[in-house]
This record gives sequence, C-alpha cells and structure tokens, in this order.
Amino acid sequence: AQTVTQSQPEMSVQEAETVTLSCTYDTSESNYYLFWYKQPPSRQMILVIRQEAYKQQNATENRFSVNFQKAAKSFSLKISDSQLGDTAMYFCAFMSIQGAQKLVFGQGTRLTINP
Amino acid sequence: DAMVIQNPRYQVTQFGKPVTLSCSQTLNHNVMYWYQQKSSQAPKLLFHYYDKDFNNEADTPDNFQSRRPNTSFCFLDIRSPGLGDAAMYLCATEGDGNYEQYFGPGTRLTVT
Repeated sequence: AQTVTQSQPEMSVQEAETVTLSCTYDTSESNYYLFWYKQPPSRQMILVIRQEAYKQQNATENRFSVNFQKAAKSFSLKISDSQLGDTAMYFCAFMSIQGAQKLVFGQGTRLTINP
Repeated sequence: DAMVIQNPRYQVTQFGKPVTLSCSQTLNHNVMYWYQQKSSQAPKLLFHYYDKDFNNEADTPDNFQSRRPNTSFCFLDIRSPGLGDAAMYLCATEGDGNYEQYFGPGTRLTVT
C-alpha cells in the first residue's frame, strides 16, 4: 500500500518570504500522480498543483512550484513571495493510475504566513 | 460556475438519531467520493461511486451508508451517529480519466 509522509506539522514564515513544504511517499508503481491540496481555515479544499510521475519537468503554477525527485520519492512544494492568503493546511497526496483512483493523503502541514 | 455543493454546511444531530448529508455536482463527473475529516487530520475515504457502482473502504463502519440516485446527487447516511462521528464530511468528484478530484465545502457534523 502507498503511504505519504509530511514531516513538518507546522510552519510559519513572514509575508513575501519563500517557503518549502516537504513530502515523501512510498510506492512500487512507476506511473502515478502527485498533488498538493490547500485547505484554508473553514474553507474548501482546493487543488494547488499536480505532477504526473512520467513527466520529468517539475510542475509550476504561478508562485507555486514543485521539486519532484522520483528516485528519492520526494515531492516538495515551494511557495514564492508568500501572501497572507496562503495561510492554510497543505496536504500532499498520491494517486495511483491502477485500479480505483483513490487519493492517499499525508498528515498535512499547517502553514501560517505572518504580516 | 460548475461546482460541488454540499448541504447543509452545518448539521447538529443527537446521539443515535439518523442523519443524512447531501452532495450535488454540476460537473457531470461519473466518480463521487465521501471523506471523513476530523480536526487537524487528513481526509479519510469512506466510499466512492464509479457511476452507480458502489465501492466501500474496508474499514468504513457499517453505520455509514451511501446512495447515489443519479449522476448529480450522492447522499451519506449515518444510521446511528455516535460522538466519535463528529467530523467534517467532504464530498468530491472526478471525471473519468481526469485524475483530479474537486471538493465541496464540506458539512460539519456535531453529535450531541
């Protein structure tokens, strides 16, 4: 079974700084998807960024980018020029393309952006 | 805008009193999921539908049931809620082959 580990329960940075959230996963599959989801306080979970394992190029969405290291099974999220609205719980998630497409979530990292 | 809608947003029920949570979607996605999320924890998958095919997770209690009468709607029934069932319940949808889940805002269930 796949597992996802986020080793940083909480992080806090100043507005405009760059922050990196860590995620490692374990799987024996060669093709899969990885995601970062953001869940602001009392608000909806939304997709931040996704990475297809067969693509070597790291995904980027505006201020959000990932560092995908397939051999190391590492998938970190970098937030550049952090904003107050980035304050949220961030979940790393894995999805196999084999069988049922279930998301396996990490434990989450609570990120606080301070003014 | 196409979206995933959950009603009610907040639900209070009494210990042992059946409760139903609803989810609707305008995305026309064929896969729908129900998750339970307790405070400061990751969402835990309860079950999902692929079209009308129901798929239960092995560790989902029998107390939890689901119905999907059509593509747009899915219901979560908790037959006899216990205090431990107090949580946020998230509905999500996915289009076939999309590999991306869209979440609703959740229903926060309180059991008194």
